Amino acid sequence: GAVVSQHPSWVICKSGTSVKIECRSLDFQATTMFWYRQFPKQSLMLMATSNEGSKATYEQGVEKDKFLINHASLTLSTLTVTSAHPEDSSFYICSAAEFGREDNEQFFGPGTRLTVL
Amino acid sequence: DAKTTQPTSMDCAEGRAANLPCNHSTISGNEYVYWYRQIHSQGPQYIIHGLKNNETNEMASLIITEDRKSSTLILPHATLRDTAVYYCIVRTRDDKIIFGKGTRLHILP
Repeated sequence: GAVVSQHPSWVICKSGTSVKIECRSLDFQATTMFWYRQFPKQSLMLMATSNEGSKATYEQGVEKDKFLINHASLTLSTLTVTSAHPEDSSFYICSAAEFGREDNEQFFGPGTRLTVL
Repeated sequence: DAKTTQPTSMDCAEGRAANLPCNHSTISGNEYVYWYRQIHSQGPQYIIHGLKNNETNEMASLIITEDRKSSTLILPHATLRDTAVYYCIVRTRDDKIIFGKGTRLHILP
């Protein structure tokens, strides 16, 4: 099956710094990628939809200036958490939809655990 | 509003079949029933999906009622590695995947 990777798998940073998380589709091209956030013991919450070559679409309540998304190629989307604070500590997961696939199935990455001190 | 209703948690003995129910009484004709699971601290894993016919793959079986208002995911021989949160999601192929609270399945040795 299609593989999606994320880097890093975990990161610890100081409050006020910015952190970049990468999401890559390894064996397919993805025109659309999605970013989710998951707090402990809660479900995944969709943050934004990332489209290659265009601006991301953010879900209601998600600050676009706080969570910068760049989808510069068909295999890479990045999420930058700017000026991170302890409340941004969470599990961030991306998924990718394969270009041209009839069933439009999405494949999920393994997640990145962010801890802000 | 949530499109699906699932029990919060379930237990199943190892080696037995795990039957996870899902209610989706407002499902539309062009919406599929998808099942994903999330093992602790990992990304979600696709299990199976169906429109109106029952489906089976190497992981599980999906039984959809004739009126499509509910479905059951069956793991035929549960193992400890099947302990996870199972999400039932109703969506069209073009919809975004929106996760509900899911069912936390505990496989008991």
